[in-house]
Amino acid sequence: AQSVTQLDSQVPVFEEAPVELRCNYSSSVSVYLFWYVQYPNQGLQLLLKYLSGSTLVKGINGFEAEFNKSQTSFHLRKPSVHISDTAEYFCAVFGGYNKLIFGAGTRLAVHP
Amino acid sequence: DAGITQSPRHKVTETGTPVTLRCHQTENHRYMYWYRQDPGHGLRLIHYSYGVKDTDKGEVSDGYSVSRSKTEDFLLTLESATSSQTSVYFCAISESGQRTDTQYFGPGTRLTVL
Repeated sequence: AQSVTQLDSQVPVFEEAPVELRCNYSSSVSVYLFWYVQYPNQGLQLLLKYLSGSTLVKGINGFEAEFNKSQTSFHLRKPSVHISDTAEYFCAVFGGYNKLIFGAGTRLAVHP
Repeated sequence: DAGITQSPRHKVTETGTPVTLRCHQTENHRYMYWYRQDPGHGLRLIHYSYGVKDTDKGEVSDGYSVSRSKTEDFLLTLESATSSQTSVYFCAISESGQRTDTQYFGPGTRLTVL
């Protein structure tokens, strides 16, 4: 069965610093991976997704993620964060039968 | 933004009462989903629908039922609400349900069961 582990529940960072949010997955079948962002009191919005091809995936708002099959990871990165990036970030894997399996989420807090 | 609305946006109810949450879409997407979001658990799938009158269970379906009589509406019912069902509920839609599809999420409904 597929599963997702987000290794950090909270990540504090200063504005303009780089950030990495870690995600590991478990899957016995072909992997399709997603990162979603949830701003306070809002629904989830897709940041990026990996379906196939290049292992480096670029998304919206300057985020990118790298698919690493040998390490079963899909970490999210941004070279320089802004206050407006403060949000909760969810990694998800396609679980078959039209389902997404989500991780528990990582709360990114950007401080001035 | 995908045209997804949820109603009500906030609800407080008492244990044992029935509750119905509504999801409405204007995108004519085939698939619709109900998730619940709880701290430390991320989002977990309750039920989903792959067409009018076609539904299936997710991983946390106990205590919930759904109905879809029109393409645009997907209802989630708690027949007898319990405190463990206090949560934020999100509706999502996708065009074809395929692995390459993006799921688009509504704004959520915050439900409190006292």
